[in-house]
Amino acid sequence: GESVGLHLPTLSVQEGDNSIINCAYSNSASDYFIWYKQESGKGPQFIIDIRSNMDKRQGQRVTVLLNKTVKHLSLQIAATQPGDSAVYFCAETTQGGSEKLVFGKGTKLTVNP
Amino acid sequence: GAGVSQSPSNKVTEKGKDVELRCDPISGHTALYWYRQSLGQGLEFLIYFQGNSAPDKSGLPSDRFSAERTGGSVSTLTIQRTQQEDSAVYLCASSHYYAGGQGTQYFGPGTRLLVL
Repeated sequence: GESVGLHLPTLSVQEGDNSIINCAYSNSASDYFIWYKQESGKGPQFIIDIRSNMDKRQGQRVTVLLNKTVKHLSLQIAATQPGDSAVYFCAETTQGGSEKLVFGKGTKLTVNP
Repeated sequence: GAGVSQSPSNKVTEKGKDVELRCDPISGHTALYWYRQSLGQGLEFLIYFQGNSAPDKSGLPSDRFSAERTGGSVSTLTIQRTQQEDSAVYLCASSHYYAGGQGTQYFGPGTRLLVL
């Protein structure tokens, strides 16, 4: 079974490197996906989203890739900066209805100067 | 513009007491959500309000939890007879409704609840 408590996947990178954070989602019917960044003591902050009719979307320094075949989502951060250090969550939902988000466990990104 | 605000930011209570948590959504957002985040965990959906429709309460963990939204704006989450396992961060989010569905959910800073 899954572990509970304080264990989070972690990723440690050097400042200036590119980061890739991965997420496996659970519901094949999900059609809208979002990445959130959560800094310590704060609420989740929207980063980027993607709909299921796309497989790639780019923002400022961030790119989200969606592979519906294997139900996999990734977030790529270019030229990672110390301010990018946070926990990153992927979330999925199905449009229409309440569109409540189902969140993954999160990945803790640490950027070393 | 102002984001989602929540109060109090921290709440310490004794087991068995009732608590009320408040959320002020972004002005004009018709949808409001409550989530719970236990230590080191992802977020867990609790309840959803959209306009005057009946709320989706499917995520409430027990009948000790309830929420209301007055006037389509401010929402209060109430936990009765608190238990230690209720200790968590309670997060509120709001979104704008479009013809195709809900827009992006924007989160408040959360209320950190500690039940002793």
